[in-house]
Amino acid sequence: DAGITQSPRHKVTETGTPVTLRCHQTENHRYMYWYRQDPGHGLRLIHYSYGVKDTDKGEVSDGYSVSRSKTEDFLLTLESATSSQTSVYFCATAPTGGLNTEAFFGQGTRLTVV
Amino acid sequence: AQRVTQPEKLLSVFKGAPVELKCNYSYSGSPELFWYVQYSRQRLQLLLRHISRESIKGFTADLNKGETSFHLKKPFAQEEDSAMYYCALSGSSNTGKLIFGQGTTLQVKP
Repeated sequence: DAGITQSPRHKVTETGTPVTLRCHQTENHRYMYWYRQDPGHGLRLIHYSYGVKDTDKGEVSDGYSVSRSKTEDFLLTLESATSSQTSVYFCATAPTGGLNTEAFFGQGTRLTVV
Repeated sequence: AQRVTQPEKLLSVFKGAPVELKCNYSYSGSPELFWYVQYSRQRLQLLLRHISRESIKGFTADLNKGETSFHLKKPFAQEEDSAMYYCALSGSSNTGKLIFGQGTTLQVKP
């Protein structure tokens, strides 16, 4: 398996609280991504990073922020969690941003907002 | 609009039967198409991509630009093929961003 670990793996939090999910990689991949997985929607891109301190928005970025202070770590923060953010969150990495590049995924984090 | 559509939420077949998981896409340029698979309790992983034109675990996929489809096929399904399958599209240059379909659960019955 690729050296991509997500923490925590499971979390239950209350509406209105901030939450941070962490993605750590040992592959030295330049690109990192956060997706959310929801029934009927597949995976949708939240934010991505193309280098240290270089990030950009994805399709469903509202209510989320990210930071990447070093190559290995990509943090996803829910600034004020809402029930609509209950989902499974996947981190992915890729060595390049090329059209044919393979993405490598973490195990996922199941987040429940109550 | 850029979109990937997998019309079947669930596909259930018997072992040894042929399998076809459908994928249609909408994209204005020339995208690259992928199939990713998630087996139970495992990570999402690449199964195959169009540019490789290879057969992985007996699966093949042909890109039909006229019909904008990238259906995944296997002539004889095995029980270990049971999994969630996602079709994905990469169209933007130099970002590696993927657009996923809704996913199809393949259930292969003994």
